[in-house]
Amino acid sequence: DVKVTQSSRYLVKRTGEKVFLECVQDMDHENMFWYRQDPGLGLRLIYFSYDVKMKEKGDIPEGYSVSREKKERFSLILESASTNQTSMYLCASSSGGEPEAFFGQGTRLTVV
Amino acid sequence: QQQVKQSPQSLIVQKGGIPIINCAYENTAFDYFPWYQQFPGKGPALLIAIRPDVSEKKEGRFTISFNKSAKQFSLHIMDSQPGDSATYFCAAHSAPYGTALIFGKGTTLSVSS
Repeated sequence: DVKVTQSSRYLVKRTGEKVFLECVQDMDHENMFWYRQDPGLGLRLIYFSYDVKMKEKGDIPEGYSVSREKKERFSLILESASTNQTSMYLCASSSGGEPEAFFGQGTRLTVV
Repeated sequence: QQQVKQSPQSLIVQKGGIPIINCAYENTAFDYFPWYQQFPGKGPALLIAIRPDVSEKKEGRFTISFNKSAKQFSLHIMDSQPGDSATYFCAAHSAPYGTALIFGKGTTLSVSS
């Protein structure tokens, strides 16, 4: 079974902190994604990566950055956390050329 | 152009009913249309998917109907059960756009017993 693992289920951070969300997949997938899920807004793409060290902005990249130093790991970085970044963050992966995405269990981040 | 519009936002049916969730799109380059199911506290999981060369696909109690000319697709759940209570997302994928799925806003389904 494909497994996408997010390092934390719940996080509480203070405004202005630098926050790292980690995601690891075990299926040798080329593509990895970070989405943000908010009630009534669905899943919105923040960033995705189709190869190591490659990244593409999604629909809402402002205030975020990403890092992919190894194929299996994709990190989302909040440079200076703000309260409007309180949300559920979902990591996903897919194999090259196949659109089916496999999701992690999500990280619920609260910024206070 | 890159949006997928999903309706209704929420849906309540009785056990055994047939809830229908609808999605519409504009981009004719979309080539793959999945539905994801999400239970509370879990990540979304692929439920069923269709490509635009077929008009219908069934997997168990779940059916996708696809209307290419109208640029619409829908999910039907036959003989719905309380265990089907979840949030459902439609999505679309377009190879020229990249490899990311574009999601609708979701439908929260509640099946009462």
